[in-house]
Amino acid sequence: AQKITQTQPGMFVQEKEAVTLDCTYDTSDPSYGLFWYKQPSSGEMIFLIYQGSYDQQNATEGRYSLNFQKARKSANLVISASQLGDSAMYFCAMRERNYGQNFVFGPGTRLSVLP
Amino acid sequence: GAVVSQHPSWVICKSGTSVKIECRSLDFQATTMFWYRQFPKQSLMLMATSNEGSKATYEQGVEKDKFLINHASLTLSTLTVTSAHPEDSSFYICSALTSGISGELFFGEGSRLTVL
Repeated sequence: AQKITQTQPGMFVQEKEAVTLDCTYDTSDPSYGLFWYKQPSSGEMIFLIYQGSYDQQNATEGRYSLNFQKARKSANLVISASQLGDSAMYFCAMRERNYGQNFVFGPGTRLSVLP
Repeated sequence: GAVVSQHPSWVICKSGTSVKIECRSLDFQATTMFWYRQFPKQSLMLMATSNEGSKATYEQGVEKDKFLINHASLTLSTLTVTSAHPEDSSFYICSALTSGISGELFFGEGSRLTVL
């Protein structure tokens, strides 16, 4: 079964607008971490933001924020004031404490920012 | 943030040859590194977990003798694709885990392998 689900294969957003990329996860481990990575066409994976399962507040990093709804097992990424350089693949990932150090990645969402 | 360097970025080789890809953590010690393979328009597929000083742990379906992993130091892991064939052509990405409970995963730039 898929542990990480990203239901949006592709998304479009107008420059300067906000966009939400969906991520839902499945785990029975009470301790886990959720991550978002950006992969531009160059191929490198860029870490964006982290949310721990016990964190009380939603994580924020500059224009990135994570809408963490634990009961729904969702960890949506919100990008505010989109820029052309935000066009890339975005991957949601999870690391479960009881399953060692492996990260499980979702299928990704391709974001295209329109001028 | 932490820096992970992967080399080479691009490699083209003839079928039957072996190719070595290096993954270095430049500003931190990484006891654990991961090797991923990524096909076009797909997500990352974990191949193996590389632990410093011990044998790598391979995921199901990944041939150990085909993809040799060595993690000889706290800053270097290598992936050797032995007797490469065209079906081994892919984008290979390494990552290194920083220490701590909320250890972060930092990625190398990736290596695109093309086997002719």
